[in-house]
Formats: sequence, structure tokens, C-alpha cells
Amino acid sequence: GAGVSQTPSNKVTEKGKYVELRCDPISGHTALYWYRQSLGQGPEFLIYFQGTGAADDSGLPNDRFFAVRPEGSVSTLKIQRTERGDSAVYLCASSPGLAGFNEQFFGPGTRLTVL
Amino acid sequence: DAKTTQPTSMDCAEGRAANLPCNHSTISGNEYVYWYRQIHSQGPQYIIHGLKNNETNEMASLIITEDRKSSTLILPHATLRDTAVYYCIVRVSYNAGNMLTFGGGTRLMVKP
Repeated sequence: GAGVSQTPSNKVTEKGKYVELRCDPISGHTALYWYRQSLGQGPEFLIYFQGTGAADDSGLPNDRFFAVRPEGSVSTLKIQRTERGDSAVYLCASSPGLAGFNEQFFGPGTRLTVL
Repeated sequence: DAKTTQPTSMDCAEGRAANLPCNHSTISGNEYVYWYRQIHSQGPQYIIHGLKNNETNEMASLIITEDRKSSTLILPHATLRDTAVYYCIVRVSYNAGNMLTFGGGTRLMVKP
């Protein structure tokens, strides 16, 4: 079946601009995660959704970052007033959200470059 | 979640077993050991996890020491496609809400 998809695969923007990154989770997965990965480092957690609500947004670096998941499926990560330090690969993952073991399935990521 | 320590990089000959160590000396009794890997330009991929018993699946084996302070991921017959960064993660239980805390991982290079 289809895995997690992310669009666009690459995004180049200028400092100060607004960007939106989209994640389509695996159908039926209620849990959705966003991570950010800088060059040469492991992914860092940003935010976790269970259904439509953000259950844990403790990883968002500041108030320029915001994410939504209005219908409990597709999620959009929004970054306002982008800075060069926001350049990274943004990864989305989903999991079934059931009791017990929940493997996280990752998408290929969106590479964001802020000039 | 407990911190993990892994070697930065390792090499392995194609067809040989790759043994990737991980130290997690501060692991708590309710924390599991997870392994994920990330092939270049892809998202991380789950490999295996365990609590205290050794585990094996179609991808790998996980050996956890009796005191649970370290573990080894074993790829029994490494192929070139196993070249990737391997992350050892420890976390409390496996409830859906728990995010993964990645360290730097081990960059495994499988050579012909």
C-alpha cells in the first residue's frame, strides 16, 4: 500500500517568506509526527498529533512554527518569516495510534532551503 | 528517555555479519531498545525493538545484555543496500504518543 508522502520534495525560499509543507499519512493512521533533520544529525521531534489535535508540540522551536491537521489525516507544517537556520529536511511520520506497539512510518522528507 | 552512545562509523564487508553496538547504561526498567536505520535521502525505517530478551526478525537480530546496559544489532549477511545510518533509541513503552529521540547514530558502510 501507499506509504507516507510529503510534498514538495524540495522547497527553496527566501529569508522572511512563509512556507507550507504537506504530509499525507498512511490511510487510517491516527498518530502523526513531524521531525526536523539538520545536515549530519539525527531527526529532532517537533510535534505530535493524535487525530486532529496536537497532543505534544514541545519540540516546536518558536512561535514561527505551527502545524495543523484539521480532518485528522493530512497535516501541514507552516513556517512564518523563514530564517536561514530553518534550512533542514522536514520529516513526517505516522503510526496506527493503537494500544501496544506502534511502529512509526516515515516519509521521504521535504528539503527546505532558506536563502 | 535514556541517552545512548554509538560509534560514529563502522565498515563491514559485503556478506559478513555487521555488529552494531549501543550503550545505554542509564536505561530504566520500563524502557525499550529500538533500532531504526536511515538510508541516504530517505526517512528512517524501523528495524527491531526489545525489552530484555533477544529478538530476531527478517531484517536483523537484537542482543540485549543481561543488565540491559548495552545492546548489539546484528545484520547477519550485510549487503550493499544495508549502507545507512543506524540509530539506537531507548524510550518508555511503545505507546503511540511517544516521540523518537534520535542521537547521532552509526554510519555503516558496507563494502564489496
